[in-house]
Amino acid sequence: QSALTQPASVSGSPGQSITISCTGTSNDVGDYDYVSWFQQHPGKAPKLMIYDVTNRPSGVSNRFSGSKSGHTASLTISGLQSEDEADYYCSSYTASTTLVFGGGTKLTVL
Amino acid sequence: QLQLQESGPGLVKPSETLSLTCSVSGGSITSSGYYWGWVRQPPGKGLEWIGSIYHSGGTYYNPSLKSRVTISIDTSKKQFSLTVTSVTAADTAIYYCARQQLQLQIDYWGQGTLVTVSS
Repeated sequence: QSALTQPASVSGSPGQSITISCTGTSNDVGDYDYVSWFQQHPGKAPKLMIYDVTNRPSGVSNRFSGSKSGHTASLTISGLQSEDEADYYCSSYTASTTLVFGGGTKLTVL
Repeated sequence: QLQLQESGPGLVKPSETLSLTCSVSGGSITSSGYYWGWVRQPPGKGLEWIGSIYHSGGTYYNPSLKSRVTISIDTSKKQFSLTVTSVTAADTAIYYCARQQLQLQIDYWGQGTLVTVSS
């Protein structure tokens, strides 16, 4: 199975908004609303930020939002803060009953 | 609050078998609607799903690893385990255990354990 495609890096200034894309195929992102987003700080385990494309777990800031169009899911972070600087990964359920991750995106807050 | 904790050797020799166990606390390992899985992350690289198991024993594996991987579960001990045979340096990674929804979406992660393959 091929990894989902994410940009290697994105950056933004405090207070700005950024969007990270996650592109798959008709066998995963395009056909299922089971896309999740994870935040990972250095040396830490990933943390769930978005599930089922658009849903936020309890305790996750409403500055984080998810969406999907066709084969591409997106994570938007509004009102960027320094603590948002981290690696972000998407994942999707697939038609083969497997889980596939994106390659990860490094977010830099300038 | 659900907690998952990985345990096992931090160093494995090439060609040998890697074995890890995940202990579940603060929740039931036999709850309907959840899989229990393993994910790994080579140093400085991205996440890779290894496989998942249901409390009844049903499993799903990453096709790229399926020939070398076995995941098992012991509900009486509230533990599930991972074995990877014939390891090479490419298997060096942080190994995470996780709880997954029925569509394999991960909602809880263990803290991870580093396994190094080296002679």
